Amino acid sequence: KNQVEQSPQSLIILEGKNCTLQCNYTVSPFSNLRWYKQDTGRGPVSLTIMTFSENTKSNGRYTATLDADTKQSSLHITASQLSDSASYICVVSAFGDYKLSFGAGTTVTVRA
Amino acid sequence: EAQVTQNPRYLITVTGKKLTVTCSQNMNHEYMSWYRQDPGLGLRQIYYSMNVEVTDKGDVPEGYKVSRKEKRNFPLILESPSPNQTSLYFCASSLIQRGTTDTQYFGPGTRLTVL
Repeated sequence: KNQVEQSPQSLIILEGKNCTLQCNYTVSPFSNLRWYKQDTGRGPVSLTIMTFSENTKSNGRYTATLDADTKQSSLHITASQLSDSASYICVVSAFGDYKLSFGAGTTVTVRA
Repeated sequence: EAQVTQNPRYLITVTGKKLTVTCSQNMNHEYMSWYRQDPGLGLRQIYYSMNVEVTDKGDVPEGYKVSRKEKRNFPLILESPSPNQTSLYFCASSLIQRGTTDTQYFGPGTRLTVL
């Protein structure tokens, strides 16, 4: 069964600091991996999408990495801001499949 | 403006009273999907549709029905709601989904409470 596991479940960081979120998956055959940001009570918004051949992609202060060999991805947030407080969800797609596999998310709280 | 809309945004109902949550997208997307989100469980897919008149079950389809008579609309139907269907529901759409890198756009969510 395709699975996506994220860690940590939650974290608290001070404004201006960096943090890294992890995503491990067992989805096969792998097609692409997405990171979403979800503000409380709102729909997820796409941050990055990476295919098998890409091992890093940035979107402003967000940088995602992918190691398709070890089936791991990370999302690095640089110089965090209060607006980064949200849940971050890792989503993996299998090649040729219409279904997506979602991680449970990591809740990030940025404190002043 | 390109968007996915859901109605209603909030709904409180009673057990057994049939309800429909509408979803509409204005981006001519082929793929549409419904998710529910519960604390600690993340997003779970209920049903999805690859195109008009083509739908399939996701991971948690029990107690739900869908239809895709037109490309832009994908309503979620609860024939006999029960309290365990109390949840936050999201509709999403993308151009095509099968193993592509198309961005999936989510609606604003519908918070359903079944008493």
